[in-house]
Amino acid sequence: AQTVTQSQPEMSVQEAETVTLSCTYDTSENNYYLFWYKQPPSRQMILVIRQEAYKQQNATENRFSVNFQKAAKSFSLKISDSQLGDTAMYFCAFTGSGTYKYIFGTGTRLKVLA
Amino acid sequence: DTAVSQTPKYLVTQMGNDKSIKCEQNLGHDTMYWYKQDSKKFLKIMFSYNNKELIINETVPNRFSPKSPDKAHLNLHINSLELGDSAVYFCASSMWDRGNQPQHFGDGTRLSIL
Repeated sequence: AQTVTQSQPEMSVQEAETVTLSCTYDTSENNYYLFWYKQPPSRQMILVIRQEAYKQQNATENRFSVNFQKAAKSFSLKISDSQLGDTAMYFCAFTGSGTYKYIFGTGTRLKVLA
Repeated sequence: DTAVSQTPKYLVTQMGNDKSIKCEQNLGHDTMYWYKQDSKKFLKIMFSYNNKELIINETVPNRFSPKSPDKAHLNLHINSLELGDSAVYFCASSMWDRGNQPQHFGDGTRLSIL
């Protein structure tokens, strides 16, 4: 069975600093897709970044980037120049190619400190 | 121009009642989902419809009944509400393309059972 593990329930970072959130997953598939979602206190679920497993290049979106290690089944999110608005729950998600099911991790609560 | 809209945003009701949550998306997506997020923020898939066809039906009590009248709508009806049903329910939609398309979420419906 596929699983997604986020081992850091809570993290904090000073404003303008860099923080890395970890995510590991387990699958026997070779082709799949990975996502990071952000859920601020407003409750919305917002897509941050996504990665296709067949692409070796790590995805980046402005201050957000991933470190995708396929062999290690690791998909960490790096947030550079952290801002107060980055305070949120962050969820890692996995879906296999050809499946409708998305599997979410348990989330990491990130607090950015002024 | 809300992409995925759920109504109501808040629902407070007595145990034993029947209630419905509605979801509509205007993104032209062909797949819609219902998730339950519990008090620990764990996000669990409940149902998914693709082109009005039920494709995911997780282990959910049969008091929960989804209905998809068309591709743009997915409603959730809950009979005989119980205390354990208290949670935030999220609707989401995506364009299914081998799983590589991210899901777009509504703002959630907070259901509180008294």
